[in-house]
Amino acid sequence: DTAVSQTPKYLVTQMGNDKSIKCEQNLGHDTMYWYKQDSKKFLKIMFSYNNKELIINETVPNRFSPKSPDKAHLNLHINSLELGDSAVYFCASSQERAAAGNTIYFGEGSWLTVV
Amino acid sequence: QKEVEQNSGPLSVPEGAIASLNCTYSDRGSQSFFWYRQYSGKSPELIMFIYSNGDKEDGRFTAQLNKASQYVSLLIRDSQPSDSATYLCAVRPAGATNKLIFGTGTLLAVQP
Repeated sequence: DTAVSQTPKYLVTQMGNDKSIKCEQNLGHDTMYWYKQDSKKFLKIMFSYNNKELIINETVPNRFSPKSPDKAHLNLHINSLELGDSAVYFCASSQERAAAGNTIYFGEGSWLTVV
Repeated sequence: QKEVEQNSGPLSVPEGAIASLNCTYSDRGSQSFFWYRQYSGKSPELIMFIYSNGDKEDGRFTAQLNKASQYVSLLIRDSQPSDSATYLCAVRPAGATNKLIFGTGTLLAVQP
């Protein structure tokens, strides 16, 4: 069973379109994240949710809107896609356990290409 | 200054050698430090984490932390071609239990 699963894995779309990426985790974690990895491999946090509540929003354009219907799901909706949105988007989750370093576990990534 | 800095590489080592990967960070209050491995086209996977000064060993991997110098490293002993990947250093800032700041990663190439 995949611990953090996200769909779709690949997405090619035109500028101006709206698209969503879905994420689910079956680890029982309380916190979920969206990270963006650009073409230079730089992995940067976008959002963090704890028990369905937004706790981190890292100055992401408001075209990006995360939604967490429950603590096991965190979806990402992107409006009016731009060329610069092309990247790999990773969903992740963690449980607050100091003994485990509050380790973050990543999904397999969603490759978004905007043309 | 970037919050977490790594040499992008590539770092090339022969099979069987020790690979040494380095990372510096700017937030002196940072508490936890992580090393992730990312194969091309795959997601980052945790190798190990460290939060106390000194060394922490796990199999062929040793993480070293020096908070005074704001420096963390990863040693890979007996490097194998299968270790060839990008190694990402990540730091949890002070007071931020739900956030990791990543470096840009070091590409390691182990030559058979």
